[in-house]
Amino acid sequence: DTGVSQDPRHKITKRGQNVTFRCDPISEHNRLYWYRQTLGQGPEFLTYFQNEAQLEKSRLLSNRFSAERPKGSFSTLEIQRTEQGDSAMYLCASSLAQVTEAFFGQGTRLTVV
Amino acid sequence: RKEVEQDPGPFNVPEGATVAFNCTYSNSASQSFFWYRQDCRKEPKLLMSVYSSGNEDGRFTAQLNRASQYISLLIRDSKLSDSATYLCVVDSRTDKLIFGTGTRLQVFP
Repeated sequence: DTGVSQDPRHKITKRGQNVTFRCDPISEHNRLYWYRQTLGQGPEFLTYFQNEAQLEKSRLLSNRFSAERPKGSFSTLEIQRTEQGDSAMYLCASSLAQVTEAFFGQGTRLTVV
Repeated sequence: RKEVEQDPGPFNVPEGATVAFNCTYSNSASQSFFWYRQDCRKEPKLLMSVYSSGNEDGRFTAQLNRASQYISLLIRDSKLSDSATYLCVVDSRTDKLIFGTGTRLQVFP
């Protein structure tokens, strides 16, 4: 399978715990996005990378969220001290270049209890 | 004003109907436009890109109106399998892709 893959698919965690998600983009894609989606809403932009450089982080994102793409390939999204409001689907997408179509992974569904 | 706005619907239409969705965007400099389809509890998937001259893919037609800053999606001869949420996507001032909230379509027999 040469599509975008995300791990884990589901994560249940207790409030206050840290969680880390991984995204492996399509191999030749140098742009990688993270989005968050809740029920009835469209994907909300969190951050994106061009190769290993993080170009933008949403102003809505608290400092509990951090993302990395150390070698310009896979990326990780970490949420520290999780809150119930962090419960959502976290989607990763990659694209070949800027503002070309993006392809999504199946997402990581986070539930904070 | 939101960067990308869509009517959330739902649009409930019978099989065989024609249905159209509009989406407005705020960045007059946007260059890239897409429609994505999202099934319940699945990831969004690209339906079609939207080109300046308008484009068609089978029963689906996408159009761009730069003067009024909106894009549209027309679905002809609706099928039950077209039931999904349709997401409008536009590039922002900072070159990232921004999604609308989606328009839900339900096609009934």
